[in-house]
Amino acid sequence: GAVVSQHPSRVICKSGTSVKIECRSLDFQATTMFWYRQFPKQSLMLMATSNEGSKATYEQGVEKDKFLINHASLTLSTLTVTSAHPEDSSFYICSARDRVTLRADFGAGTRLSVL
Amino acid sequence: KQEVTQIPAALSVPEGENLVLNCSFTDSAIYNLQWFRQDPGKGLTSLLLIQSSQREQTSGRLNASLDKSSGRSTLYIAASQPGDSATYLCAVTTDKLIFGTGTRLQVFP
Repeated sequence: GAVVSQHPSRVICKSGTSVKIECRSLDFQATTMFWYRQFPKQSLMLMATSNEGSKATYEQGVEKDKFLINHASLTLSTLTVTSAHPEDSSFYICSARDRVTLRADFGAGTRLSVL
Repeated sequence: KQEVTQIPAALSVPEGENLVLNCSFTDSAIYNLQWFRQDPGKGLTSLLLIQSSQREQTSGRLNASLDKSSGRSTLYIAASQPGDSATYLCAVTTDKLIFGTGTRLQVFP
């Protein structure tokens, strides 16, 4: 079964609203979680690296005030897309990395559509 | 900056062929390398994980090799089947997990 749970799987929202996406590691501790964005027919683009108990590290070009990341525990990280606009519509995928093996497992993804 | 490239970008083959997918990376200081599969509109499924100290891993019809010094990994798929059709992604782990550009595979009956 899935070892990383991502919720919700799909969101349709109006422009200007905020959307929260949760990522949970189910049977291992993940000191590090990664958030990716994927455009159609493209590979995964790393947005930020989330470390438990500290601030996230954002990749160049990713607005930290736009994409708020919280990693409050060893099993949960959240990504909040604030004041979403149509250009934020995309497929967002989280990954949790096992602190011992460094193996990364992925959530099933969240498809965000902003109207 | 780590860059990960996959060749070919797309591949279409008849059922039964043995396939080789290639992944190259520019910085050899990695902890491990993973191969994933992604079906259209879906998340990722981990196929194989090779630690930096290992040279290959096998799972069923899949075999992945790693040559860290040359910055290369290959994924070998034996006796391909239509169900293998998907996008295959490699990713290297340093302090981050960086993905390759992907290979879109289609296996037709």
